Amino acid sequence: DQQVKQNSPSLSVQEGRISILNCDYTNSMFDYFLWYKKYPAEGPTFLISISSIKDKNEDGRFTVFLNKSAKHLSLHIVPSQPGDSAVYFCAARGSGTYKYIFGTGTRLKVLA
Amino acid sequence: SQTIHQWPATLVQPVGSPLSLECTVEGTSNPNLYWYRQAAGRGLQLLFYSVGIGQISSEVPQNLSASRPQDRQFILSSKKLLLSDSGFYLCATNRGGPYEQYFGPGTRLTVT
Repeated sequence: DQQVKQNSPSLSVQEGRISILNCDYTNSMFDYFLWYKKYPAEGPTFLISISSIKDKNEDGRFTVFLNKSAKHLSLHIVPSQPGDSAVYFCAARGSGTYKYIFGTGTRLKVLA
Repeated sequence: SQTIHQWPATLVQPVGSPLSLECTVEGTSNPNLYWYRQAAGRGLQLLFYSVGIGQISSEVPQNLSASRPQDRQFILSSKKLLLSDSGFYLCATNRGGPYEQYFGPGTRLTVT
């Protein structure tokens, strides 16, 4: 049972345009959501997070939106840069737990 | 600041052989520690997490086990490896409060 889903395995975007990565979840008890970026043969690096009590969080070129009624979150990258090419994982934390559930990842390719 | 060390970086082992992967954390005390696996073309799967010495929670029934003999040491083991154990193993801890996870560099395990 995949509680956190990233239905798009890959995405290609032109440099300078917006990249939108999507994530859906099924458990309404998740209270914290995170996005990570991962390069091959390296550990994921934290990008941005959002609490379930908010609907938007912004950090530079990265913005995360949360729609709790739809159990959906998205990561917007504007403007996209070639260095953003990587695999992006969304993750969710169960309320009152130490457990993080990760999605299967979306491979973003930013074309120069 | 926290630093996570993992070794070895890469490992090739025959089916049926034992396994021991080590993770150590510097710059913090009493961290929550996690083992994840990323199989080829798959997302990050939580295998084990630990909130203290000797306290291990297993998320996936399999032939792997984990131990935490010291506060900042987390070990992943197997008595007999399977082909399906191949993957990229990541150790992680919490940083910046109880939410954000910080990952080590990973160990690439190939079972032949």
